[in-house]
Amino acid sequence: GQNIDQPTEMTATEGAIVQINCTYQTSGFNGLFWYQQHAGEAPTFLSYNVLDGLEEKGRFSSFLSRSKGYSYLLLKELQMKDSASYLCAVRSSGGSYIPTFGRGTSLIVHP
Amino acid sequence: DTGVSQNPRHKITKRGQNVTFRCDPISEHNRLYWYRQTLGQGPEFLTYFQNEAQLEKSRLLSDRFSAERPKGSFSTLEIQRTEQGDSAMYLCASSPGQAGYTFGSGTRLTVV
Repeated sequence: GQNIDQPTEMTATEGAIVQINCTYQTSGFNGLFWYQQHAGEAPTFLSYNVLDGLEEKGRFSSFLSRSKGYSYLLLKELQMKDSASYLCAVRSSGGSYIPTFGRGTSLIVHP
Repeated sequence: DTGVSQNPRHKITKRGQNVTFRCDPISEHNRLYWYRQTLGQGPEFLTYFQNEAQLEKSRLLSDRFSAERPKGSFSTLEIQRTEQGDSAMYLCASSPGQAGYTFGSGTRLTVV
């Protein structure tokens, strides 16, 4: 099975930088996803990492270390609209390659 | 294409009743997934279709749950004899392969 751990809640100030960590244990790692989910809405895709290193996309970046079973999502220049839940999902190569989600990190951005 | 569509958006039902939800995936996506999400939790996998074939089912999917994708396009998820513990958001996602999962807005089920 898979075990995915991320903090339950984080707070940050508008304009600041925040890093949301995700640690995982899985056999046959085959990719890690980050999704953003606003309350009552669908999760929306942010990033996908399958190799070690940093992937940058605008204000959002995602990092992966496969040897450490660790990823983080970095959000820069925080805006109020970034207040949402951030979901880390890991896919393993066993079975049908279906992502397993962590419980999500609720980010609250204060003015 | 308007993305993944789910209907209804909200459903309130009495305990013991049967309910059915529908998911229309992105048209060129051959893979379709059902997840369930409760408050404060991440989505939990329920079942997966590749075209019309149901290839994987979670042990969360009890005998009261059944899903179909008869023509490899839309899918339905039926819950029989609903229980209060079934109250959750039911999310559908589709993908063209092993990446690019797109979620619908979900159906929120409340069992009273």
